Amino acid sequence: NAGVTQTPKFQVLKTGQSMTLQCAQDMNHEYMSWYRQDPGMGLRLIHYSVGAGITDQGEVPNGYNVSRSTTEDFPLRLLSAAPSQTSVYFCASSCSLGGQRDEQFFGPGTRLTVL
Amino acid sequence: AQKITQTQPGMFVQEKEAVTLDCTYDTSDPSYGLFWYKQPSSGEMIFLIYQGSYDQQNATEGRYSLNFQKARKSANLVISASQLGDSAMYFCAMRVPDDCGSRLTFGEGTQLTVNP
Repeated sequence: NAGVTQTPKFQVLKTGQSMTLQCAQDMNHEYMSWYRQDPGMGLRLIHYSVGAGITDQGEVPNGYNVSRSTTEDFPLRLLSAAPSQTSVYFCASSCSLGGQRDEQFFGPGTRLTVL
Repeated sequence: AQKITQTQPGMFVQEKEAVTLDCTYDTSDPSYGLFWYKQPSSGEMIFLIYQGSYDQQNATEGRYSLNFQKARKSANLVISASQLGDSAMYFCAMRVPDDCGSRLTFGEGTQLTVNP
């Protein structure tokens, strides 16, 4: 299993540009989420999904959109990038039927810089 | 609202000694789960240990143990016999209720440095 994969690993954007951060998992997890990590602030939840077709807002959703058309994929869209969105973004997943451990598994992160 | 507090921005320990990283939480829900994650300088998030609010015994995973004091709402991580590779940022997190579909709330982290 590849676990949780994220692409790209690094990205530089100009203010106003849009882009999509990709996230995929191959563990048949129902729950997926996106976090951002800023220095000294821990991880903050952006959006999450409890299953295909179901998404909801987290703590800091403004400026981001998500969709969940399949169990495996959970892309995060930046609509119009702003310097305040410079951060490290983590995707995570958890919950599979019959699973013995249900901690959240994290992807390797995407480091985004908005100029 | 749920809240996780880690009051130690940085901690230092000598190699082979034990260290305790503090975590306090706030929730009025009787069902919650507590987690510790390690984030080395390479950036990945590594799950260390989990404690459910209804668990009678403190969780242990190898050199990691969770000192769960429910009345004080604390869930401190104890690392025994520290190793140089334990130098990392450590995050305490909570989900309420304790269901794998619940959102995780993270503390701000503690940077641990293990000295040779």
